[in-house]
Amino acid sequence: TQLLEQSPQFLSIQEGENLTVYCNSSSVFSSLQWYRQEPGEGPVLLVTVVTGGEVKKLKRLTFQFGDARKDSSLHITAAQPGDTGLYLCAGAELTGGGNKLTFGTGTQLKVEL
Amino acid sequence: GAGVSQSPSNKVTEKGKDVELRCDPISGHTALYWYRQSLGQGLEFLIYFQGNSAPDKSGLPSDRFSAERTGGSVSTLTIQRTQQEDSAVYLCASSLGGAGGAFFGQGTRLTVV
Repeated sequence: TQLLEQSPQFLSIQEGENLTVYCNSSSVFSSLQWYRQEPGEGPVLLVTVVTGGEVKKLKRLTFQFGDARKDSSLHITAAQPGDTGLYLCAGAELTGGGNKLTFGTGTQLKVEL
Repeated sequence: GAGVSQSPSNKVTEKGKDVELRCDPISGHTALYWYRQSLGQGLEFLIYFQGNSAPDKSGLPSDRFSAERTGGSVSTLTIQRTQQEDSAVYLCASSLGGAGGAFFGQGTRLTVV
């Protein structure tokens, strides 16, 4: 089983600050996805990155896929309380005609006023 | 329905009893995943179904756990002789099987007392 380590595990910041979450593995993935999960809900997909070196922006969120397709980062600019939640990366491994998703260890983000 | 549906939403069972958790994926999705999540933690992979391929059962923690997917649609996760360490939220997800993301249900919170 491929392992995905996220750091930091916990992050508590003030509104307006910037932050970066990292997702690292020793394995290569066909694509990497980021999800956000709120209490009592299932994770919700934020973005998929496919090409090594790819950068995607979603409003104040910037996602990057490492050149070797083993790691990724999520950067949030000017964090807001609504960004609070559990952030999960997931690596996709081509198998059986589809994509097996392995999830990272998670980063719990709390943004305070 | 429009999304992934899981039932029951909550289940309390006595140690040693068997439980069945149900997942109705999004119609047309060929891939179906089961994960387990402890409070505030990442998702632990359990099993992955992709079309007519043999399921990837590599994440099932013991032979007390089994899962079926009938007719390429509904899936049931069965836990026999439940133990207290089985207490967790069990999440089901489905996807089209390509590079796109997975859509999650709201989960079944299992408590073994």
